[in-house]
Amino acid sequence: QKEVEQNSGPLSVPEGAIASLNCTYSDRGSQSFFWYRQYSGKSPELIMSIYSNGDKEDGRFTAQLNKASQYVSLLIRDSQPSDSATYLCAGSGGSTLGRLYFGRGTQLTVWP
Amino acid sequence: GAVVSQHPSRVICKSGTSVKIECRSLDFQATTMFWYRQFPKQSLMLMATSNEGSKATYEQGVEKDKFLINHASLTLSTLTVTSAHPEDSSFYICSARRSGGSNTEAFFGQGTRLTVV
Repeated sequence: QKEVEQNSGPLSVPEGAIASLNCTYSDRGSQSFFWYRQYSGKSPELIMSIYSNGDKEDGRFTAQLNKASQYVSLLIRDSQPSDSATYLCAGSGGSTLGRLYFGRGTQLTVWP
Repeated sequence: GAVVSQHPSRVICKSGTSVKIECRSLDFQATTMFWYRQFPKQSLMLMATSNEGSKATYEQGVEKDKFLINHASLTLSTLTVTSAHPEDSSFYICSARRSGGSNTEAFFGQGTRLTVV
C-alpha cells in the first residue's frame, strides 16, 4: 500500500514568515514528488516537482527531498496572504506513469 | 504549457439521472488520464485510470458500472455518473499525462462540482 502522509496542520504563519510543510511516503520505489496548491473549491495547481535528493528552489518556494528518510518538504519564504490554501503532497508510484498518491493536505493560513 | 480543460465546471442533477463530464487535453496528447473524486476537506482519491483505446482500470471499491469511463481519443476522456444519488455529490477532477517518454507529471483540469438533488 503506497501512502503519503502530511503533517496534519492547520498551519498559521504571519505574513513574511517562512512556512514549512512536511510529507513522508511509504513506497521506496517512488521517484517523483510533487507539491500542489489547492484553493477552496478549485482544482490543484502544481507548484513544485522534485525528482532527486536535495533542494530545488523556484522563487519563494524550495522543495527538499530525502529519499533515505522518505521525506519531502516544501518551504515558502516571505509568505503572503495569497499563499493561504491547502497544500497537497503527492508521490508517483506503480507501473502507471502519471498515477499519483496524495496526502491529505495541509491547510496554510498566512495572516497579515 | 499543458492545458487540461474539464467541462462542465458545475452541474446539478436530479437523483436517478446520468451526468457526463468531459476532460480534454488542449495542447498535448494524453494516452493516460486519471479521474479523481474529492469530498469536502478530504484529499483526492483516485477513482480510475483511463487509457486511450482500452478499458479503464478502476480502483478498489469504485463501481465500474456506475462510473462509466470512455477514452476514445488521445485528447478526450469522459466520465459518466449513471443513476446518480445524493451521495455521489462531490468534486470530480481529471488529470492527464503527456504521452511519450518517462515523465510522470500530470496536469489537472478545473474540476466539476456535482450536486445530486
